[in-house]
Amino acid sequence: AQKITQTQPGMFVQEKEAVTLDCTYDTSDQSYGLFWYKQPSSGEMIFLIYQGSYDEQNATEGRYSLNFQKARKSANLVISASQLGDSAMYFCAMREPYTGGFKTIFGAGTRLFVKA
Amino acid sequence: GAGVSQSPSNKVTEKGKDVELRCDPISGHTALYWYRQSLGQGLEFLIYFQGNSAPDKSGLPSDRFSAERTGGSVSTLTIQRTQQEDSAVYLCASSLLGHDQETQYFGPGTRLLVL
Repeated sequence: AQKITQTQPGMFVQEKEAVTLDCTYDTSDQSYGLFWYKQPSSGEMIFLIYQGSYDEQNATEGRYSLNFQKARKSANLVISASQLGDSAMYFCAMREPYTGGFKTIFGAGTRLFVKA
Repeated sequence: GAGVSQSPSNKVTEKGKDVELRCDPISGHTALYWYRQSLGQGLEFLIYFQGNSAPDKSGLPSDRFSAERTGGSVSTLTIQRTQQEDSAVYLCASSLLGHDQETQYFGPGTRLLVL
């Protein structure tokens, strides 16, 4: 069963505008962590933002914010004031318990294109 | 300090050959993870090491895959008798303690092409 769902294979946004990348997740655990990573064409995975399941406030990191709606099991990433350098693949991920620790499940990703 | 490093950065091999991929985690990080990313796809979890504990190998795609971590630091992922479907980017990540709220730091990956 799909644990992390990103329904937007590709998104376009005009430079300087805000964009929301969708992510829904499925878990029966009460304690979990949600992450967003950026993967530019160079291939590196860059950590953007983290939201803990018990955090009551939405996480923010600079131009990135996470719209966490626990009851709906959604963790959408909002990028404000898009820049050309934001063009990349974006992955939503969830940490879940695993033998002796935790593993991270990734969504299929959303490719963001920022237009000048 | 130095980030996660992986070697080689690129590997081209012939079908049926064995390959070894290496990961050097961030110094002091006890948790190490291997993932596989096929072209245009998300990341597939392979295996996870926590300190010196024996890993759960159930995430490995077949018995041709094996991984070890020596001395709680460097890890090698070995693929025996490579197949074309093994072609992918193999990413390694590490985190300090392996807790659920920790950020994982990724290496640049090894791009494997099996001809």
